[in-house]
Amino acid sequence: DGGITQSPKYLFRKEGQNVTLSCEQNLNHDAMYWYRQDPGQGLRLIYYSQIVNDFQKGDIAEGYSVSREKKESFPLTVTSAQKNPTAFYLCASSAKYNEQFFGPGTRLTVL
Amino acid sequence: SQQGEEDPQALSIQEGENATMNCSYKTSINNLQWYRQNSGRGLVHLILIRSNEREKHSGRLRVTLDTSKKSSSLLITASRAADTASYFCATLDAGGTSYGKLTFGQGTILTVHP
Repeated sequence: DGGITQSPKYLFRKEGQNVTLSCEQNLNHDAMYWYRQDPGQGLRLIYYSQIVNDFQKGDIAEGYSVSREKKESFPLTVTSAQKNPTAFYLCASSAKYNEQFFGPGTRLTVL
Repeated sequence: SQQGEEDPQALSIQEGENATMNCSYKTSINNLQWYRQNSGRGLVHLILIRSNEREKHSGRLRVTLDTSKKSSSLLITASRAADTASYFCATLDAGGTSYGKLTFGQGTILTVHP
């Protein structure tokens, strides 16, 4: 059963804490993406990766970090430098020039 | 930055009616894609139209693309209550890498009343 998974579904972060969001895909896609969605808004790109061990900043990378050690995995760390991290985070993957497949999302709340 | 602007922001119709959503963008594109999002869920890809195509159909969906006006429309015919969702257009810029970034619009919230 191919697809893209994200965990956890809900995540709570205390002030000054780093948290890591998981994203895994078994679609054999080269490219993976992280987006942030705020209420009533579209998606904004945080980071993307076109190949293992390489990634590029998106439009709102400040306060976030990523790694791409395996083709299947693209974890996102929300650092304490991100001052307003409460949002819905979506991970996606794609093949060349094609549509993106999205995971179910992680809702992050700062306590 | 948001490239696509969608119109209307919200649309409320009765079951059986058609729903039309519009998307405008600013730069040259490789393709334009439409996605659907149910509340609190991930996005689901609906249809992709390439820059050299003018119209595409998929079931009850019809998408048009006018590159001279930098605009696209999504038509859902004979709508159903289950079509209630947010709909987003997204553009893949021309001239970028083959895995280029998608730029999303802010979406149209469609409500279909039974």
